Amino acid sequence: NAGVTQTPKFQVLKTGQSMTLQCAQDMNHNSMYWYRQDPGMGLRLIYYSASEGTTDKGEVPNGYNVSRLNKREFSLRLESAAPSQTSVYFCASRLQEKLFFGSGTQLSVL
Amino acid sequence: QQPVQSPQAVILREGEDAVINCSSSKALYSVHWYRQKHGEAPVFLMILLKGGEQKGHEKISASFNEKKQQSSLYLTASQLSYSGTYFCGTGRNSGYALNFGKGTSLLVTP
Repeated sequence: NAGVTQTPKFQVLKTGQSMTLQCAQDMNHNSMYWYRQDPGMGLRLIYYSASEGTTDKGEVPNGYNVSRLNKREFSLRLESAAPSQTSVYFCASRLQEKLFFGSGTQLSVL
Repeated sequence: QQPVQSPQAVILREGEDAVINCSSSKALYSVHWYRQKHGEAPVFLMILLKGGEQKGHEKISASFNEKKQQSSLYLTASQLSYSGTYFCGTGRNSGYALNFGKGTSLLVTP
């Protein structure tokens, strides 16, 4: 069982470039989440999807868009990357009370 | 809004006890605790629900004071494997769109 798979693991972008972070889970979970983790800031919720077809903003949604493509996949898009978006991004899915996290994507925006 | 964790960092000798606190300015439905080891994804430890009981996990237990919107994580007779960063996540409803604190770094030394 792969669990929650994130791609890519590492990415370097130039300011203004766009990219999509991919997340897929094979546990048939309804809810999925995107968090960013910055040193000293903990995990901050960007967007979440309570079920297929729905998405909601979290604490720090500005500069991001999401797509819940189907029950398995939840992608995060940066339309015009900024240095402030340099971070580690974690995708998670939920079963009952537990969040299962992917291994993260380390993104650097130069 | 992020819950506030204290202390920011703790250094223990193996076998010593520690308490990590988490507080929120808003009414809470649930408090969740996660541990993250360096370079890895956060892993679920436990959840405390409003009106629920104190729940334990081996030598790690936690409490939830609903009136004060506070939770504490108790690590008893710490082991080297307890080292990592501990995050509390708070939920204001049953949707589990958690807001995490900034984390408490715990180092257990021999």
